[in-house]
Amino acid sequence: GAGVSQSPSNKVTEKGKDVELRCDPISGHTALYWYRQSLGQGLEFLIYFQGNSAPDKSGLPSDRFSAERTGGSVSTLTIQRTQQEDSAVYLCASSLGIRTEAFFGQGTRLTVV
Amino acid sequence: SQQGEEDPQALSIQEGENATMNCSYKTSINNLQWYRQNSGRGLVHLILIRSNEREKHSGRLRVTLDTSKKSSSLLITASRAADTASYFCAILSGGSYIPTFGRGTSLIVHP
Repeated sequence: GAGVSQSPSNKVTEKGKDVELRCDPISGHTALYWYRQSLGQGLEFLIYFQGNSAPDKSGLPSDRFSAERTGGSVSTLTIQRTQQEDSAVYLCASSLGIRTEAFFGQGTRLTVV
Repeated sequence: SQQGEEDPQALSIQEGENATMNCSYKTSINNLQWYRQNSGRGLVHLILIRSNEREKHSGRLRVTLDTSKKSSSLLITASRAADTASYFCAILSGGSYIPTFGRGTSLIVHP
């Protein structure tokens, strides 16, 4: 596709439910990042995938968060047993290689009620 | 990994004026990147400057990097109302592959 695509754009879920957020990176981009951004805050790194290497999960805030990237392309971020503090915009980005510019999707706004 | 810190947190100017935002960091970097974010959604890459570069231009944007002071600045000349957005710097530390972002500068350009 022309850019990074994220779905859904908005998600409202009840506390305690599981959610899955999807990211379709730009074709051919080997690096994929997930960040989250709370209202008025900067971007908090969550997880990084690079090619076939083991992902860097050092930013995941708890074991309720997990992510996978299938076939080196689409990625899914899963949040189990959602809490109100999980409410944020979840941003996915991809880049052609390491240490190059990142292209961001429009994000998924998650609201936990 | 470290993050950059942008300054000021907020900036309000009139159309036609120049806007300058600064980013400071603490350790060695591979490169530093500037991004723009409209309406709290996706970020758009503006400029990447490598540690061995001192200045880069793109249209009305000028980025400088001073590695001795561990700081960078983004200058927007002849600002327009459409430049209203949040601007973030992202640091690629020497040993990292992950851009880390600061809290951003919120720029408002009044028509």
